[in-house]
Amino acid sequence: EIVMTQSPATLSVSPGERATLSCRASQSVSSNLAWYQQKDGQAPRLLIYGASTRATGIPARFSGSGSGTEFTLTISSLQSEDFAVYYCQQYYNWPPYTFGQGTKLQIK
Amino acid sequence: EVQLLESGGGLVQPGGSLRLSCEASVVTFIKNAMNWVRQAPGRGLEWVSGISVTGGATYYAESVKGRFTIFRDNSKNTLYLQMNSLRAEDTAVYYCAKGGYTSAFDIWGQGTMVTVSS
Repeated sequence: EIVMTQSPATLSVSPGERATLSCRASQSVSSNLAWYQQKDGQAPRLLIYGASTRATGIPARFSGSGSGTEFTLTISSLQSEDFAVYYCQQYYNWPPYTFGQGTKLQIK
Repeated sequence: EVQLLESGGGLVQPGGSLRLSCEASVVTFIKNAMNWVRQAPGRGLEWVSGISVTGGATYYAESVKGRFTIFRDNSKNTLYLQMNSLRAEDTAVYYCAKGGYTSAFDIWGQGTMVTVSS
């Protein structure tokens, strides 16, 4: 089973600033890496797939990078609606599909 | 756009059974692999089970293998999760999600809550 590790667990950033979230895989997942956003009481929403491709309707301030075992989600110029929990997920070697434990992005 | 609507959650005693349903809004459901993902209160996301387009291939997390069964009825655009021998640790919101194999999970339902307690 591939273990996904996200850092930091909590990130405090001011609106308008940039946020950088990290995700590490215990073995290579190639570019089969997705990022999801989840707000309180809501279902997860796909933001990025293929490590760097934005899903339909996702604003350009969200960008993903990386391949192999190291991945980054960057949110430039944070908006109020961006404060949420973010999960990475690998879909390269399954079952099981595995998620990171999440990074909570909170207002500083 | 495909929308997914789960139902069937509720309160059940340990050792009991429950069947969850996930109805898709459009016919394109039949062309996609599907999954169940759960989230225990205050916890992260855990993939539970997946099924191929035809239903001929099914996959399970070790934590539910032998107790849960995933199946689908493409004529009804509906995905199911039969949960038997439920345990307290199965308490979670259960989401159905479209995707899998070489694709991320691009569409999620709103979730249905399952509580296992005496």
